[in-house]
Amino acid sequence: AQSVTQLDSQVPVFEEAPVELRCNYSSSVSVYLFWYVQYPNQGLQLLLKYLSGSTLVKGINGFEAEFNKSQTSFHLRKPSVHISDTAEYFCAVTPPSGNKLTFGTGTQLKVEL
Amino acid sequence: GAGVSQSPSNKVTEKGKDVELRCDPISGHTALYWYRQRLGQGLEFLIYFQGNSAPDKSGLPSDRFSAERTGESVSTLTIQRTQQEDSAVYLCASSATSGQYNEQFFGPGTRLTVL
Repeated sequence: AQSVTQLDSQVPVFEEAPVELRCNYSSSVSVYLFWYVQYPNQGLQLLLKYLSGSTLVKGINGFEAEFNKSQTSFHLRKPSVHISDTAEYFCAVTPPSGNKLTFGTGTQLKVEL
Repeated sequence: GAGVSQSPSNKVTEKGKDVELRCDPISGHTALYWYRQRLGQGLEFLIYFQGNSAPDKSGLPSDRFSAERTGESVSTLTIQRTQQEDSAVYLCASSATSGQYNEQFFGPGTRLTVL
């Protein structure tokens, strides 16, 4: 079984400031890792994913994440946020069979002027 | 092409009533997933279909919940005798296949409120 922990339920940040959203996971098998974004009243959209290879992955909208196997982490970062980045962000994992995603509880990113 | 669609977008019902939630996956996608998102919580996996069969129903919370899929297309999630704790957003996703990783594309969800 897998589990995902997102310790920060809310992260307020000023526009153009950097941000890091934390994600830690637990699994007895290897997993693929994902970040999804959910804008208000919309479905989830895949932001980026780590399947294999380089541990630094780049996604849409200037986001990136780094897979750290020893720390079982997959933190999401953006060097300069915009108002439009205000949304809820979910970290998720799945075993390579990819049949079901296990999600964290989400982090609400609120970008302020 | 069209994405995953779900209907209704909102459903308000009285405790004890049955409800049906519908999901139309992306055309050609053989795998279909249902998740539940309760307020303040992450998404919980409910069930997935490969074709018309459901190899994994482990996330269905009780026997009041059931789902079916016909024609390798539309899926219906049925909740019988709804309870207030069933209030949540129910999300559907589809992918090209299962058994190996394929990106899951999510619909906008159905917000269910049980009074």
